[in-house]
Amino acid sequence: DIQVTQSPSSLSASVGDRVTFTCRASQTIRSYLNWYQQKPGKAPKLLIYAASSLQSGVPLRFSGSGSGTDFTLTISSLQPEDFATYYCQQSYSSPYTFGQGTNLEIK
Amino acid sequence: QVQLVQSGAEVKKPGASVKVSCRPSGYAFTGYYIHWVRQAPGQGLEWMGRINPNSGDTNSAQKFQGRVTMTCDTSIGTAYMELTGLTSDSTVVYYCAREMRGGVRGLDYWGQGTLVTVSS
Repeated sequence: DIQVTQSPSSLSASVGDRVTFTCRASQTIRSYLNWYQQKPGKAPKLLIYAASSLQSGVPLRFSGSGSGTDFTLTISSLQPEDFATYYCQQSYSSPYTFGQGTNLEIK
Repeated sequence: QVQLVQSGAEVKKPGASVKVSCRPSGYAFTGYYIHWVRQAPGQGLEWMGRINPNSGDTNSAQKFQGRVTMTCDTSIGTAYMELTGLTSDSTVVYYCAREMRGGVRGLDYWGQGTLVTVSS
């Protein structure tokens, strides 16, 4: 199975900050990497698919990059509604494993 | 609009089975894979498996093989996930999600989740 490791596990930031999350796969997954946002008690929401494609309706302050084994999700200017947990998921080969998540907290 | 509506919360005893349903609407049911993902309280997301509603073909994580059965009833446009041999670590929220088209396999629409509590 492909392992997916996210870092950091938690992050404190302020409104207006630029933040970056990292996801590393244990082997190449080309661009088969998706990012989700999850708020407490809610289902995950797809933000980015295929490493860098913005899902419809997602604000432009979210962006993704990377290929192969290393990927990043960047929020250019944090808004209050962005404080949540973020997960990456590899969709290159089954099982389509998720990272353990990064909890973004208000500083 | 696309929606996936799941069945309600359940309480089960250890060793029992649970069957969760997922009824999508707003799109052609047989045109998109359905995935099942679970999440223990306060924990991360865990991919369980997926089913092609058109063919019935499935693939699942090895951890669940032999315990999980994913099916679809195309006559009523509903997907099901049945998990046997529930244990206390099976007290989780189960989500169904639609795989987007295009082969990238992102999950673009999700059900609201079904909480299954396992307690003696």
